[in-house]
Amino acid sequence: DAGVIQSPRHEVTEMGQEVTLRCKLISGHNSLFWYRQTMMRGLELLIYFNNNVPIDDSGMPEDRFSAKMPNASFSTLKIQPSEPRDSAVYFCASSPTTGGESYGYTFGSGTRLTVV
Amino acid sequence: AQSVTQLDSHVSVSEGTPVLLRCNYSSSYSPSLFWYVQHPNKGLQLLLKYTSAATLVKGINGFEAEFKKSETSFHLTKPSAHMSDAAEYFCVVSEPGSQGNLIFGKGTKLSVKP
Repeated sequence: DAGVIQSPRHEVTEMGQEVTLRCKLISGHNSLFWYRQTMMRGLELLIYFNNNVPIDDSGMPEDRFSAKMPNASFSTLKIQPSEPRDSAVYFCASSPTTGGESYGYTFGSGTRLTVV
Repeated sequence: AQSVTQLDSHVSVSEGTPVLLRCNYSSSYSPSLFWYVQHPNKGLQLLLKYTSAATLVKGINGFEAEFKKSETSFHLTKPSAHMSDAAEYFCVVSEPGSQGNLIFGKGTKLSVKP
């Protein structure tokens, strides 16, 4: 299994441009999480899905951010328009759906986004 | 509501000496607890997890953690630090029925001196 795959690894874009981050889940995993990591705020949960359905998007900072799961194995996080304060490392993670006990997550390697 | 507190933002040890990274949690139910490690410019890797089985949990790279319900603690230890252990460590809690949602601590940066 190749693990959780994120692309691109690095993205540099100009303020105002649209940015799309991509994530491929581990086969058989049903839950998908998007996190943002910055020096100032640490790891922040942006949104998570269970069986393709968004469960909690209260961490999404603004309407400029949107996330989708068009199928069970793939997700996108879109920022439109992007701003310099969006610069961060964005991680996605997946886990198996459980009956209550958590197995923890498997993280991707992250996308380092720089908005200039 | 569940929460987790990592008591030290930065710990520095010498190579070959013991490591202790402290974590306290708050949970209304019997939680699952985890430690993750993040090496510089890398993603997060699961070190170990506690899920209501043995209270002493062994993980990868010689790390272990002990669940102490009376102290609501889940401290991470290693008998002898190695230079490659230098990284950031996150203590994490999850409650049953939370659909696997994990709550991360703010992290402890471990430095290892030669």
